[in-house]
Amino acid sequence: AQSVTQLDSQVPVFEEAPVELRCNYSSSVSVYLFWYVQYPNQGLQLLLKYLSGSTLVKGINGFEAEFNKSQTSFHLRKPSVHISDTAEYFCAVSDRGTSYDKVIFGPGTSLSVIP
Amino acid sequence: EAGVTQFPSHSVIEKGQTVTLRCDPISGHDNLYWYRRVMGKEIKFLLHFVKESKQDESGMPNNRFLAERTGGTYSTLKVQPAELEDSGVYFCASSLGRVEQFFGPGTRLTVL
Repeated sequence: AQSVTQLDSQVPVFEEAPVELRCNYSSSVSVYLFWYVQYPNQGLQLLLKYLSGSTLVKGINGFEAEFNKSQTSFHLRKPSVHISDTAEYFCAVSDRGTSYDKVIFGPGTSLSVIP
Repeated sequence: EAGVTQFPSHSVIEKGQTVTLRCDPISGHDNLYWYRRVMGKEIKFLLHFVKESKQDESGMPNNRFLAERTGGTYSTLKVQPAELEDSGVYFCASSLGRVEQFFGPGTRLTVL
């Protein structure tokens, strides 16, 4: 069975500082990897995804993530955060096999950007 | 292009009552999914439609939940009778292909 771990439930960071949100997954099969963001009172929005190819994936709003197969990680980074980045961030996986429609989510990391 | 829409945005009902949630996917998206997030827990998959057919309903918690997708367009998720533990946020998503899912804003359900 697949699972996703997000080690930090809450991450406070000062504006313009860098941030890394950690994500580890476990799966016995090859996976697709995603980061979703939920801004206050809004739905889930896809930030970025890893399907294949380059392990460094760039997404919207200046975010990027690096897939590390040996460490089964997919950490999300941004070099300089803004107040508007305050939101909840979800790491997610789906497998490449017959059930890859089902997305498995991590518990979420709440990012608070402090002015 | 309109995104995935969900109605209502909030619903407050009493234990034992019935509630129906509606999801309108992006036009042309054959795949439609339901997920829910119970307070303090992860977002969990409930089921997947391809057009009007249920492809995978392995995440449906019990037979109090009934999902339908009429004519392969909008979908409804009915909870009857609602229990306290059904409280949470119910998300709908749709996709054209089988990888990137587009999510709606969710329906926040509170069962008192």
